[in-house]
Amino acid sequence: GAVVSQHPSRVICKSGTSVKIECRSLDFQATTMFWYRQFPKQSLMLMATSNEGSKATYEQGVEKDKFLINHASLTLSTLTVTSAHPEDSSFYICSARPPGALYNEQFFGPGTRLTVL
Amino acid sequence: QQPVQSPQAVILREGEDAVINCSSSKALYSVHWYRQKHGEAPVFLMILLKGGEQKGHEKISASFNEKKQQSSLYLTASQLSYSGTYFCGTQSKTSYDKVIFGPGTSLSVIP
Repeated sequence: GAVVSQHPSRVICKSGTSVKIECRSLDFQATTMFWYRQFPKQSLMLMATSNEGSKATYEQGVEKDKFLINHASLTLSTLTVTSAHPEDSSFYICSARPPGALYNEQFFGPGTRLTVL
Repeated sequence: QQPVQSPQAVILREGEDAVINCSSSKALYSVHWYRQKHGEAPVFLMILLKGGEQKGHEKISASFNEKKQQSSLYLTASQLSYSGTYFCGTQSKTSYDKVIFGPGTSLSVIP
């Protein structure tokens, strides 16, 4: 149980284009999902908390107009990187918290490696 | 605020033990431990909630000293499969909805 998928696993795009990354909870409904960014050999940096049916809560320093998050259903959250630039190249990982998660444990998707040329 | 982890990196021979420490400047609600292998997503190991609580996961266990705002992860009789980067994640008492991850400790187990 508690499986989270991401699509695509890898994407290469040109500078200035937009990229959408999907995060799905496959065997549970997640009212809360989290988006992280991880640069090589660095930690996971929380970008935003996505709540189903409401606006995402962004961490300080994360541009909400650049990283659009939509949590339209209990099993799907999307992250759209708008007008991507080479400095946006990173590993983007989502996680989901199962309902009734007593201890707030999170289950991570496999990640999406974004390369912006 | 990001928790601090030590050491940054450790190399072990198979069968040796290791301790990874995690400390925070904030009062903690819980400490999470995850392991990430290169190019993969982090995998949940355990959560510690109560001060003094110790939990075990195979030969990997952890303790939580709530008063000192610290947690330690203990790896005993290490196996090659233990190699990876270990992250602690903390939930503070004032902001327990989110988990903030430490910088990670790279563990390499060699034959």
